[in-house]
Amino acid sequence: AQTVTQSQPEMSVQEAETVTLSCTYDTSENNYYLFWYKQPPSRQMILVIRQEAYKQQNATENRFSVNFQKAAKSFSLKISDSQLGDTAMYFCAFMNRNTDKLIFGTGTRLQVFP
Amino acid sequence: GAVVSQHPSWVICKSGTSVKIECRSLDFQATTMFWYRQFPKQSLMLMATSNEGSKATYEQGVEKDKFLINHASLTLSTLTVTSAHPEDSSFYICSAPGTANTEAFFGQGTRLTVV
Repeated sequence: AQTVTQSQPEMSVQEAETVTLSCTYDTSENNYYLFWYKQPPSRQMILVIRQEAYKQQNATENRFSVNFQKAAKSFSLKISDSQLGDTAMYFCAFMNRNTDKLIFGTGTRLQVFP
Repeated sequence: GAVVSQHPSWVICKSGTSVKIECRSLDFQATTMFWYRQFPKQSLMLMATSNEGSKATYEQGVEKDKFLINHASLTLSTLTVTSAHPEDSSFYICSAPGTANTEAFFGQGTRLTVV
């Protein structure tokens, strides 16, 4: 069974600064995707970034980038130039490509303050 | 991106009654949909996989008779909470894989309160 662990229940960062959210996972699968989802107070799940396990290159989406260490089963999210609108819950998630099921970590509550 | 619409966004019901939640893929077909439950300040827990034209598959510990799932068409899955009790109060979210199966698209969620 796959597990996803987020060891930081809460994080805070000053506007314009950089913050890194941690995520580790455990799986015996080789074919999978990893995601970071953002859940603002509206509770709508918003995809932040996706990483295919077979790709060595770290995914990047504007101010968001990941550090994917496959051997270590680590998948951290870096948010650069943090904005007030980044305040939200962030969930790391694992998708088994054979089942398309998403397994979520426990989440990290990020607060960006002025 | 693909759109998944969930309805209602919130519902209050009396204990002992049943509540139906709908999840629709608006601009794509979904042979599979997923139902999650989220308690306050907690993560999303997968409840079941809804399969078009066949029975849903439930995660361990989820009561099949309590949470009835029907996937009647390629664009609609429903979750019925039967004989609801206050402990069933929660936030329920559905999702569907996109056509390329490279990500999940989520409904807006339904906040269920059983009084």
